[in-house]
Amino acid sequence: DGGITQSPKYLFRKEGQNVTLSCEQNLNHDAMYWYRQDPGQGLRLIYYSQIVNDFQKGDIAEGYSVSREKKESFPLTVTSAQKNPTAFYLCATGAYQPQHFGDGTRLSIL
Amino acid sequence: GENVEQHPSTLSVQEGDSAVIKCTYSDSASNYFPWYKQELGKRPQLIIDIRSNVGEKKDQRIAVTLNKTAKHFSLHITETQPEDSAVYFCAASNSGAGNTGKLIFGQGTTLQVKP
Repeated sequence: DGGITQSPKYLFRKEGQNVTLSCEQNLNHDAMYWYRQDPGQGLRLIYYSQIVNDFQKGDIAEGYSVSREKKESFPLTVTSAQKNPTAFYLCATGAYQPQHFGDGTRLSIL
Repeated sequence: GENVEQHPSTLSVQEGDSAVIKCTYSDSASNYFPWYKQELGKRPQLIIDIRSNVGEKKDQRIAVTLNKTAKHFSLHITETQPEDSAVYFCAASNSGAGNTGKLIFGQGTTLQVKP
């Protein structure tokens, strides 16, 4: 959707490196979500935030961290503790449910 | 925990035929059920959704039915076309004020429509 911008489109991570995926929205939605999608599988929730300065762990939060300092922004950091980070990462927003997805970031290991 | 099961995992139909994808959910508090279509390498796009106070909803060739008692919901696509070929995901959530609104997704169904 035009109101959600994810960057970069492709990202490569070296061993032991932290990388940050950006998600910005201009839809004025309170809730924002990060999902991970592995090939041939559904989407799994990593973290979500319903309000600025507050966020909760999803089903697979280990090895990831987030912040929500502004309503418009919900960056996701993939830390070196995440041993299998290769996946398609999708950010979503929604007033009460994540109806709108960004175009995603494809993360690979170098 | 909360779970959504989706069947079949793959579905092949002839152009013009109908396609049906079925999902079951475990959390009886779920009240919102969207369906997403995802083309290769792209983001999921919402194609239709239904809330628990409704049993059926239609939008042109697409319909969704919900059986709250059995905790089943299904996607029906009629007069399928090659451009309907994609991966379809069902999801369930407990949405509304005071709830998280987080979606639990099914594993996806790869639909192939043969010309």
